[in-house]
Amino acid sequence: DAGVIQSPRHEVTEMGQEVTLRCKPISGHNSLFWYRQTMMRGLELLIYFNNNVPIDDSGMPEDRFSAKMPNASFSTLKIQPSEPRDSAVYFCASSPDRFSNTGELFFGEGSRLTVL
Amino acid sequence: AQSVSQHNHHVILSEAASLELGCNYSYGGTVNLFWYVQYPGQHLQLLLKYFSGDPLVKGIKGFEAEFIKSKFSFNLRKPSVQWSDTAEYFCAVIGFSGGYNKLIFGAGTRLAVHP
Repeated sequence: DAGVIQSPRHEVTEMGQEVTLRCKPISGHNSLFWYRQTMMRGLELLIYFNNNVPIDDSGMPEDRFSAKMPNASFSTLKIQPSEPRDSAVYFCASSPDRFSNTGELFFGEGSRLTVL
Repeated sequence: AQSVSQHNHHVILSEAASLELGCNYSYGGTVNLFWYVQYPGQHLQLLLKYFSGDPLVKGIKGFEAEFIKSKFSFNLRKPSVQWSDTAEYFCAVIGFSGGYNKLIFGAGTRLAVHP
C-alpha cells in the first residue's frame, strides 16, 4: 500500500502567487482531511470530505483557500493569492470508513509551504 | 465546543527516565481518544487509541495511556524512554461538531530525549 501521497513536498513561492497542493488518498478510503500545522496554532483541520463531498469546511481560514475532490483518488488545496502567513506544513489524511468507527487517520508526508 | 489541552509544550528527558504527558479534553459525551506521534521530518502516525473497555490502553513501542473519565484525562506514559522516542506527541479526541464527527488535536508536546 503506497499510503497517502502528497505533492509537492516543498514549495517556495512569492506572496501573491497561486499555490496548489495535491493529495492522493489511500485507495478505498472514504474520508479525506486537510490539516495545517504551524508552530503557533499546532494542527488545524481545514476541511473534511466524505465520499468526495465537502462535509465541514469551517476551518478554512478565508476565501483565499479552496479545496476540491473531483474523484475518490484526488484532492487539491488551493491558495490564491498566497500570503507569508500561509507558510506552514499542510497535511492530507484519509480514513477507511465511517470515520467515527475507527477514528484512525492515515497521514501523508506533508507539503511544506514557504511564502516569501 | 470540544477541545483538547496538552499541558506541556516541551519536555526534555534523559534516556531511561520515565515519561508522562498530560492530556485533558472537554466533551460531555462518549469520547474516543487517541495519541499520535510525529517523528522528526515524518508524518503523524497512530500510537494508541481508546474507544471503550479497559481504561489502560497499551500501544506500540512500550507506550500506554490511561483514560480517567472523572478527570477528563488521557495521559500518555512510558516507564523508560529512549533517544528514539524524540518526537512530537499529539493527543486527540473525536468530537461531534456541526453535525459531524471530527478529530480534534491538542497543540502537541515536543519531547527531546538526551542520551
